Amino acid sequence: QSALTQPASVSGSPGQSITISCTGTSSDVGGYNSVSWYQQHPGKVPKLMIYDVSNRPSGVSNRFSGSKSGNTASLTISGLQAEDEADYYCSSYTSSPTYVFGTGTKVTVL
Amino acid sequence: QVQLQESGPGLVSPSGTLSLTCAVSGYSITENNWWSWVRQPPGKGLEWIGEVFHSGSAHYNPSLVSRVSISVDRSKNHLSLNLNSVTAADTAVYYCAKHWGYGFDSWGQGSLVTVSS
Repeated sequence: QSALTQPASVSGSPGQSITISCTGTSSDVGGYNSVSWYQQHPGKVPKLMIYDVSNRPSGVSNRFSGSKSGNTASLTISGLQAEDEADYYCSSYTSSPTYVFGTGTKVTVL
Repeated sequence: QVQLQESGPGLVSPSGTLSLTCAVSGYSITENNWWSWVRQPPGKGLEWIGEVFHSGSAHYNPSLVSRVSISVDRSKNHLSLNLNSVTAADTAVYYCAKHWGYGFDSWGQGSLVTVSS
């Protein structure tokens, strides 16, 4: 199975909104409402930010939101803050049945 | 508060078997359907290894299926990972994670395993 495709990097200024895309196929992203998003700071454990496309776990800021259209899912961070600077990974359930992660996106706050 | 803790040898010889255990506390393995192992090579992205149901049923990454085995021990409330015929490419931080919906909401701190002679 191939990794989901994410942009290598995305940047924005404090207070701005940014969107990270995650592109797969009809056998994973497009076939199930099963996309999740993870934030990982350097040397730290991944943290679940969004599950099942658009659900936020308890304790996650509402500045983070998720959506999906066809084979592409998106994570939007609004009101960008310095603490949001991290690597972000998407994941999707697949038809195999397995899971697959995205290639990862480095978010830089300018 | 659920906690997961990976443990096992930090160094494995090439062609040997990597064996890790994930101890779960504050939560019964049988309360949640699925548990996964995920790895991350140094400086690289996340890779899903496989998942196990509390009954023992498991699914694996197609790229690893010939070498990997994941099991549960309900009496000890822990999961196990075995990966055989390892090479340097298997050097990574290995995480166990609890499923929540289709996401992984609780993760262990990770266990760095280096494959080297």
